[in-house]
Amino acid sequence: DQQVKQNSPSLSVQEGRISILNCDYTNSMFDYFLWYKKYPAEGPTFLISISSIKDKNEDGRFTVFLNKSAKHLSLHIVPSQPGDSAVYFCAAKGSSNTGKLIFGQGTTLQVKP
Amino acid sequence: EPEVTQTPSHQVTQMGQEVILRCVPISNHLYFYWYRQILGQKVEFLVSFYNNEISEKSEIFDDQFSVERPDGSNFTLKIRSTKLEDSAMYFCATRPGLAGPSTQYFGPGTRLLVL
Repeated sequence: DQQVKQNSPSLSVQEGRISILNCDYTNSMFDYFLWYKKYPAEGPTFLISISSIKDKNEDGRFTVFLNKSAKHLSLHIVPSQPGDSAVYFCAAKGSSNTGKLIFGQGTTLQVKP
Repeated sequence: EPEVTQTPSHQVTQMGQEVILRCVPISNHLYFYWYRQILGQKVEFLVSFYNNEISEKSEIFDDQFSVERPDGSNFTLKIRSTKLEDSAMYFCATRPGLAGPSTQYFGPGTRLLVL
């Protein structure tokens, strides 16, 4: 049951350019979305989040856009840096009130110097 | 900045043995979670724990799994009789509470290998 999907397993961009990572979801009851960054052998690190009542949230180089009608969100990183190279996971807070997160499969971002 | 910590970082065990994975949550957080990631797959929810009881569990969290917070600080995941397919990274996560932000903060994980 793939309620959260990241259809691009990998993305490669040049340093200084924009990275755009995409995520689709199927459950319209999701009310909160998060992006996590993960390095090998480490835990997911929280990056940025957005509530379903907003369509954009910005934090420094990171911006998340939410399109509820399309059930789509994206993470923009501008400008991309080599240190941004990692696996990026999109996650949605489930409709239950326990707050469990449902993750996408992840997208591996490589930023080339 | 407060962090979630987990021990051990690696655990190798024989099939059928019991393992206990430990987590120290961020001190003022009230909700605790365990997730796992089998190599090459997505991060999967196992269980949530609030007010000293399980609030939700997934289909993966069968009778072989249990959680507790024995001393008010450590949050543990026990696998009673490990199977080969339990080999995975296990992550503990915590969040402040239902009224607070929905962001969960993850520990570094325990890599469990069942032989």
